[in-house]
Amino acid sequence: GAGVSQSPRYKVAKRGQDVALRCDPISGHVSLFWYQQALGQGPEFLTYFQNEAQLDKSGLPSDRFFAERPEGSVSTLKIQRTQQEDSAVYLCASSPYLLGVIAEAFFGQGTRLTVV
Amino acid sequence: GNSVTQMEGPVTLSEEAFLTINCTYTATGYPSLFWYVQYPGEGLQLLLKATKADDKGSNKGFEATYRKETTSFHLEKGSVQVSDSAVYFCALRMEYGNKLVFGAGTILRVKS
Repeated sequence: GAGVSQSPRYKVAKRGQDVALRCDPISGHVSLFWYQQALGQGPEFLTYFQNEAQLDKSGLPSDRFFAERPEGSVSTLKIQRTQQEDSAVYLCASSPYLLGVIAEAFFGQGTRLTVV
Repeated sequence: GNSVTQMEGPVTLSEEAFLTINCTYTATGYPSLFWYVQYPGEGLQLLLKATKADDKGSNKGFEATYRKETTSFHLEKGSVQVSDSAVYFCALRMEYGNKLVFGAGTILRVKS
């Protein structure tokens, strides 16, 4: 497809369960971002990849959160031992890297995670 | 730290009314400023941007001017349509940064 694709769109997890959220960025986009959006709030940065390198993971809230992008394309955000406070929409964005500058970010529709 | 504050919603307007959504920022350097829009059931889309002081971003009849002296980037539109109903997010990105810092979002509802 032409845009950023995320799957699943909706995920219900029991507390303590592990989840994996997938992001397919736009083909050729070097930069990939994960954001967390709580209900009624703006997105908050979690982590950033440039190709396969995770250059910034300062926004990951705890060591239960782990992200990878092993081949510099598809990325997976994994949350271990989910807690109720992890309930949120998880957004993925990708952007090209032009002339040393991160260009416009294109967002996916997000995965809505509900922990019960 | 760097932050963005935008007016609380929801903002409810009649069609063809004038729109202003206020946005102010706090940043230690020289950020680029953005407005993103999220239509129902869709992902965030870039609406407009400005990269330096006094720049005006514009798109689809929306405008915002980067005011360094008031650290503001207010969104305006002269005549709103029902199709403009959405959530609007103001955001910044630092000069040598990568991540976007978002405000909480403002819901806009336009009645016919």
